[in-house]
Order: sequence, then structure tokens, then C-alpha cells
Amino acid sequence: QVQLQESGPGLVKPSETLSLSCSVSGGSIRRHYWSWLRQVPGKGLEWIGYINYSGHTVYNPSLKSRVTMSMDTSTNHFSLKLTSVTAADTAVYFCARELFGGLPEFWGPGILVTVSS
Amino acid sequence: DIQMTQSPSSLSASIGDRVTIACRASENIITYLNWYQQRPGKAPTLLIYGATNLQSGVPSRFSGSGSGTDFTLTIDNLQPEDFATYYCQQSYLTVPYTFGQGTNVDTK
Repeated sequence: QVQLQESGPGLVKPSETLSLSCSVSGGSIRRHYWSWLRQVPGKGLEWIGYINYSGHTVYNPSLKSRVTMSMDTSTNHFSLKLTSVTAADTAVYFCARELFGGLPEFWGPGILVTVSS
Repeated sequence: DIQMTQSPSSLSASIGDRVTIACRASENIITYLNWYQQRPGKAPTLLIYGATNLQSGVPSRFSGSGSGTDFTLTIDNLQPEDFATYYCQQSYLTVPYTFGQGTNVDTK
């Protein structure tokens, strides 16, 4: 069974770059699509984007100008960078493996990232 | 963007009840509709995909129906572990793939 685990700083200053990594075990990231989503505490879910096995990326248009996803097949990790963060980017960030494009199937437990000075 | 609207936003039910949650899309999404369960402090888990397909390992008391713009999640014989928040999500053609606002199922 595939397992995912997010890691990265829990606190980021406004205007700086949020950087998260997702470690995948129990399967190779050379297969499937891999995505990031977020959830403002107590609120709904937002799909950020995905990267596929060939490194092709698709992003949510509302975040596209600030988002970069990448993958490292040698370590079985994939990553998220979100630039110029504000308090509105404070959320629990999840990484996930997609069953099909846009359909997260297996999720990591999530990591709370707070944007504050 | 395709807007997803769930109803009700919350409901109270008892063990053994049949629970129905509705989800409406702002445009035709064929059957590109998925349902997730989220327990407090946990990540969502996939229950139903493609409107009617039960994800592997999910109990058969969960079922989904609908097509086009109107969809339903039904839970038969509600169990204690089913008290949670449920989200619908559309994964039709173009981004962004959007979620409903959630339906909280709590104990009556």
C-alpha cells in the first residue's frame, strides 16, 4: 500500500516561499500522477495541481503564477513551491497520489503551514 | 470554474439510519464526480469515484448515484465510524478540480 508523508517548515514569513516535500513509499513516483491540495483550517478543500510520471505539470489557474511542482525519482519525492505567500496561504497542505488526473486517491496526513511574521 | 454545491451543510442522524447527501454541479460533468470522507484531524479518504464506483476497501453501505449536474451519496445503516464530513469533488476535463463545501454528519 502506498504511503505519503509531507515535510517542511510549519512557519513561513509573508512574501517568502513555502517549500514542501512529499516522501512516497510503497510505490514508485515514476508511475501515476502526484498532486498537492490544501485546506484552510475549518474550511473546504482546494486542489493546487499535479505532476505526472514524465514531469508534466498542471496547476490551478488561481495559483499558477506562484506554484512550481517538481519530482526527484532518485529519492521518490515530489515537491511544492509557492512563492510570495500571504496569510491567506495558511492551510493544511496535503500531498496525494491520483487515481486519474484530478482524482486524489491516497493522501498524506497533511502538514499545517502558517504564514506569519 | 465549475461550482459544486452540497446540501445539506450539516445533518444529524442516528446509528442505523439511512443518510443522503446531495451535490450539484454548476455545469454538466457527466459522471466525473467523486466523494470523500474526512474525519477530524485526518486527511480525506476516497469513497466513490466516477459517481458510482466504490473505492476498494470501502464498505458496501456507501453508494453513489447521479449524472450530469445532480449527484447523491447514500450511507445505509449508518455506523459510528461514519460520523464525519463528506465532500464531493468534480474531476471533469479542465482545471481547477473543485470541491463542494462539505456536509458534516453528526450524531442526533
